[in-house]
Amino acid sequence: SQQGEEDPQALSIQEGENATMNCSYKTSINNLQWYRQNSGRGLVHLILIRSNEREKHSGRLRVTLDTSKKSSSLLITASRAADTASYFCATDADDYKLSFGAGTTVTVRA
Amino acid sequence: KAGVTQTPRYLIKTRGQQVTLSCSPISGHRSVSWYQQTPGQGLQFLFEYFSETQRNKGNFPGRFSGRQFSNSRSEMNVSTLELGDSALYLCASSPGRGGFTEAFFGQGTRLTVV
Repeated sequence: SQQGEEDPQALSIQEGENATMNCSYKTSINNLQWYRQNSGRGLVHLILIRSNEREKHSGRLRVTLDTSKKSSSLLITASRAADTASYFCATDADDYKLSFGAGTTVTVRA
Repeated sequence: KAGVTQTPRYLIKTRGQQVTLSCSPISGHRSVSWYQQTPGQGLQFLFEYFSETQRNKGNFPGRFSGRQFSNSRSEMNVSTLELGDSALYLCASSPGRGGFTEAFFGQGTRLTVV
């Protein structure tokens, strides 16, 4: 079973718009991470937020974490065609193991 | 610094055969994890190794096994292949010290079982 669940499953936006996706998880965590995957290739790490942090920024990415609601959100601002990919949240509830959600597929239209 | 290297990239096998996949982690990384990705089940954790010791294992049948060598390179083996084993197999490496930090993934091995 998967620890995290992303919402929505798919998202289509116009270039320049913002994209927001959410992740919910079930058990206590040490940190939560977001990864990007292009067309069935390897995952690329985007950002890590620790359980004692509420918000983190990296370039055009903004991640929030609400441990009381067991949820996180990823915001991509001013989207570009190159942002077209699947995005996964991953938690480390279990030792030495990442549990991934089902992912959100983002399509950025030119 | 070279990234995580997985070989081969693509593989076609017949049901009942066995297969060995290889993963070379980033230099200096001692933790290697394996994941199976399928359209139906998503990304599923297989196992994690650190300094040649398996520290965690996912819920997969005993046909799935792995090992890590003293140079941190890792292999995973699947015996008696089934059609359902068709998947993208991803390897990830991390420094492995202390708490879990970001993982660096290889490009994966696409296994097709026919």
